[in-house]
Amino acid sequence: EPEVTQTPSHQVTQMGQEVILRCVPISNHLYFYWYRQILGQKVEFLVSFYNNEISEKSEIFDDQFSVERPDGSNFTLKIRSTKLEDSAMYFCASSERRGGRAGELFFGEGSRLTVL
Amino acid sequence: GENVEQHPSTLSVQEGDSAVIKCTYSDSASNYFPWYKQELGKRPQLIIDIRSNVGEKKDQRIAVTLNKTAKHFSLHITETQPEDSAVYFCAATDGGSQGNLIFGKGTKLSVKP
Repeated sequence: EPEVTQTPSHQVTQMGQEVILRCVPISNHLYFYWYRQILGQKVEFLVSFYNNEISEKSEIFDDQFSVERPDGSNFTLKIRSTKLEDSAMYFCASSERRGGRAGELFFGEGSRLTVL
Repeated sequence: GENVEQHPSTLSVQEGDSAVIKCTYSDSASNYFPWYKQELGKRPQLIIDIRSNVGEKKDQRIAVTLNKTAKHFSLHITETQPEDSAVYFCAATDGGSQGNLIFGKGTKLSVKP
């Protein structure tokens, strides 16, 4: 069964450093998402991406965050200058169609980011 | 935007009993309501979903009901087993053009043998 894959599984970084989290969505999917989950809390929407541009972003997704699909297969989340409160599990997800239409969301295993 | 409330935050049942988790949503334009199960340290996985054109859906021991008028939906697990122990999240589309999923805060279900 096809899966969304994410790397790294765990990254530890110093506050103020840049971090790039990588995702390979399922190959025939068109919609891509990043969610984050602070330990013990709910899954929070960050950003959706379609047709090589951001479709929608939440208030969490400020100027420190950016997303890119550099080569047609990878989908990356960059945090320019990490803060302690960025420590969380970051989930990439993809769907064949939009969430509201037959669009089951498939999640990756997550990338745990720890900011010291 | 969409706001999803989920109750209870924790639920403990004996093996074989039923478990019910309830969610409410705010955006009347929402039309897709999935439920995800997340085991410790793992990714959320879809277990059942329901669309706004039906009121109930069942898959073996799991069922979901939807009341669009009241804007609430519920997950029902019958004959619970220890392997049902996990955190369950409800979600609803935000009703906007992209239909992004907004999640509830989760319910930690513990099934005691």
